[in-house]
Amino acid sequence: NAGVMQNPRHLVRRRGQEARLRCSPMKGHSHVYWYRQLPEEGLKFMVYLQKENIIDESGMPKERFSAEFPKEGPSILRIQQVVRGDSAAYFCASSPEGATNEKLFFGSGTQLSVL
Amino acid sequence: DQQVKQNSPSLSVQEGRISILNCDYTNSMFDYFLWYKKYPAEGPTFLISISSIKDKNEDGRFTVFLNKSAKHLSLHIVPSQPGDSAVYFCAARDSGTYKYIFGTGTRLKVLA
Repeated sequence: NAGVMQNPRHLVRRRGQEARLRCSPMKGHSHVYWYRQLPEEGLKFMVYLQKENIIDESGMPKERFSAEFPKEGPSILRIQQVVRGDSAAYFCASSPEGATNEKLFFGSGTQLSVL
Repeated sequence: DQQVKQNSPSLSVQEGRISILNCDYTNSMFDYFLWYKKYPAEGPTFLISISSIKDKNEDGRFTVFLNKSAKHLSLHIVPSQPGDSAVYFCAARDSGTYKYIFGTGTRLKVLA
C-alpha cells in the first residue's frame, strides 16, 4: 500500500521559469493538502483540495501560484515565473473522506531550489 | 496570526528521562490535535492525536494531554531515546474548514 508519492524530490529552476510539483495521494484518499516549509521555519498551509475542487486556498500567494487536483491523475502545484524566495520544501499530504479520519499522511516533499 | 504556537524552538533531554513538548492554540473550532515527527529531508510522520472531547491519549512511550480551558496541549515521551531526536510539530484541525494548522516546531535532542 504505497504512501503519498511526491515528485520530483529535488527541482532546480532558474528565475523566471515554471515549477511543477506533483503529488499522488494514498489509495482511497480524496483530500490533498499542500504545505511549504522555508528554511528553519514551520509548515505553512497553502491549499486544500478535493477531487476537482479547491476547498481552501487562503495560504496561496495571490499571484504565480496555482493548484489543481483533477479527476484523474496527481495533484499539481504550479509556480510560474519562480523567484529566489520560492526556494523551499513543498510537502503534500492526503487524508481519506470523513470527519473521524483525522490523520494527514505526508509525502517526502519536493525541495525546490531557484538559482 | 499564529493559531498554533510552539514557544520552545529547542529542547535537550538526557536519554531515559521524560521529554515534554508544549503547544498552545487560540481557535476554539479545532476538533483534533496531532503531533508529527520530522527528520531532515523527510516528510512529517504521524505520531499521536487526540480529539477535543478527550483530555489524554496514550500510545506506548507517547502520551498527549489536552487542557481545553487553557487551550494547551503537551506531548510526553518517556523514556526518551536518542532515536527520538527530531523536530516535533503540533497541529490542529479546524472542524469547520478541515484545514490543518501547524506550529513552528520544537527540535528535540536526546543525549546519550
